[in-house]
Formats: sequence, C-alpha cells, structure tokens
Amino acid sequence: DTGVSQDPRHKITKRGQNVTFRCDPISEHNRLYWYRQTLGQGPEFLTYFQNEAQLEKSRLLSDRFSAERPKGSFSTLEIQRTEQGDSAMYLCASSLISGTVKNIQYFGAGTRLSVL
Amino acid sequence: AQTVTQSQPEMSVQEAETVTLSCTYDTSESDYYLFWYKQPPSRQMILVIRQEAYKQQNATENRFSVNFQKAAKSFSLKISDSQLGDAAMYFCAYRGTGTASKLTFGTGTRLQVTL
Repeated sequence: DTGVSQDPRHKITKRGQNVTFRCDPISEHNRLYWYRQTLGQGPEFLTYFQNEAQLEKSRLLSDRFSAERPKGSFSTLEIQRTEQGDSAMYLCASSLISGTVKNIQYFGAGTRLSVL
Repeated sequence: AQTVTQSQPEMSVQEAETVTLSCTYDTSESDYYLFWYKQPPSRQMILVIRQEAYKQQNATENRFSVNFQKAAKSFSLKISDSQLGDAAMYFCAYRGTGTASKLTFGTGTRLQVTL
C-alpha cells in the first residue's frame, strides 16, 4: 500500500493554457475525491467518483473543469483555459465504502497549480 | 449546509506541554462524523482522530484526544506532551451521512511547537 499518489506536485502555467493532473488512489479504494485548497483556507470539495461513475459535482466545478476515472482506477482532473483564480492546491483522496475503515478518506500530497 | 469554524488561526505550545485547538460546527443532522486532520508543510494531510456523533465517549489516540460536546456543536482537539513533530496545520472536518461522504473543512489552525 503506497498511499494516494498525485502527479505533478507542482505545475506552473500561463493563463489560457490547459492543464491536467493525475491521481492514483490506494489500491482497491472504490471512492475517489477531488478537493481544492486555496491559501489560508481549508480544502473544498469539487467532485467524487465511486468506481468509474462521477456521482457528484460541486458548484465550484465550472464548465472549464472536467474529471474522469476510467476503469475505476486512476483519475484525471483537467482545467481548460486556466485563469489566475484557478491557482490553488488540488488534493485527491480515496476511501473504501465498506470495512472497518469505511469512508475514511486518505489524502495525497496534492498538486500545486500556479497560473501566471 | 454544514459549516465548520476554527476560530484560532494560530496557536503556540512549548514542547511537552498541552494545547487545545477549538472547532465548532453547524448542522441539522443528528448522525455524522467529525475528524481532525494534520497537514505538515508541503506534505499530505494525515488523519489524526475521528469521532462518531452517536458515541458519547470522547475518542482518544495516544497523545491526542477530543472533547466532543454534541449539544454545543463543539469538537476540540487536545494534544498532550507536545512534540516538535506536531507542528503543522490542523483542520477540523465534518462528514454527514449523505451518499457522497464528502468532507467539509474549517479554515485550519497553524500550530507552532517551541523548545
């Protein structure tokens, strides 16, 4: 069990460019969550998957954001036409929906996005 | 909607001393879960302790314990025998019983541990 892995750790991009982040959850975890954390704030929920199905999206997730989890394994979060307001830490978490550690979310180290 | 409030942006404690971090929350649900997560600088968030709302007994994990007051909607974290490695951001989080099980976080408390 290697924990939740996120790539890249840091991303610097110019306004208007597209960026994609990847999250590899803990093996066999069937739920995967994306959160956004801005400076001085706690993480805010963006969206989550159960297996390959995206079941809920926050109002924070504008049309420029899209997330996928093909085959219920890793997930990608893409931001199109980035804006300076997209600068934040993007956190991924995964959990099991059964067992003794039911629904405990384990977090990755995050991807820090800076939009210039 | 549920909200979580951490009114202490920063706290400081001397090594080996005890410190209490405060958290209040607002919800209309009767069954829910509360968590404290620790986020060291540039490192991933780690679960410190959790509390089920239906349990009256306060959770403890080694040097970490909580004071859960359901009626007052208060959930404080006590760290005993503080160590340098305890220095981090601490986030209080709420999870309802909805199908998403998403977490609602407070704004965090930065804990400094001094010699």
